Amino acid sequence: GESVGLHLPTLSVQEGDNSIINCAYSNSASDYFIWYKQESGKGPQFIIDIRSNMDKRQGQRVTVLLNKTVKHLSLQIAATQPGDSAVYFCAENLYSGNTGKLIFGQGTTLQVKP
Amino acid sequence: NAGVTQTPKFRVLKTGQSMTLLCAQDMNHEYMYWYRQDPGMGLRLIHYSVGEGTTAKGEVPDGYNVSRLKKQNFLLGLESAAPSQTSVYFCASRGGNTEAFFGQGTRLTVV
Repeated sequence: GESVGLHLPTLSVQEGDNSIINCAYSNSASDYFIWYKQESGKGPQFIIDIRSNMDKRQGQRVTVLLNKTVKHLSLQIAATQPGDSAVYFCAENLYSGNTGKLIFGQGTTLQVKP
Repeated sequence: NAGVTQTPKFRVLKTGQSMTLLCAQDMNHEYMYWYRQDPGMGLRLIHYSVGEGTTAKGEVPDGYNVSRLKKQNFLLGLESAAPSQTSVYFCASRGGNTEAFFGQGTRLTVV
């Protein structure tokens, strides 16, 4: 079926450590994946994306890894800061047949301890 | 450039009442989406549209209707509100197979 799920609901890390947030997806036809950050009371904000023809993409302090063999996506945040505390969602684009359907996972709460 | 704007931001409805949530985007995006977000849960897709005049069902479409009469607007209607529809509703838009931009949400309470 169509589902995007995250392995852990809450992740607690020490300030300055690296964070890794995982995501599993089930649809092999998905061709594009996005990570979003959502702070309390706000709408989701784009962090980084990756297309299915890539296995790694880097941004500023963030890296997304895609493993199509096991249908797994991860978001790595380097030197985690208190401002990184938020809920993180992965989203899966079901673009086959031009559906444009964008499905989200349940989210992982990242807590950064000072 | 306002991006994605949702109206209203807050609303309290009585069971059985109807209402329409408005989403407007000024980025000339083809695709628009309505999601609901419940406490401790992710965003669940209600309906979406891949262009003016088109709509499609998402994961949880029951109890909602949508219309996309103009490219820049996507309306979400609740014909007869139920307490189970208490949620935060988010609208999003995107130009194609790219990232989606979100509005700030509408907090709806049905009593």
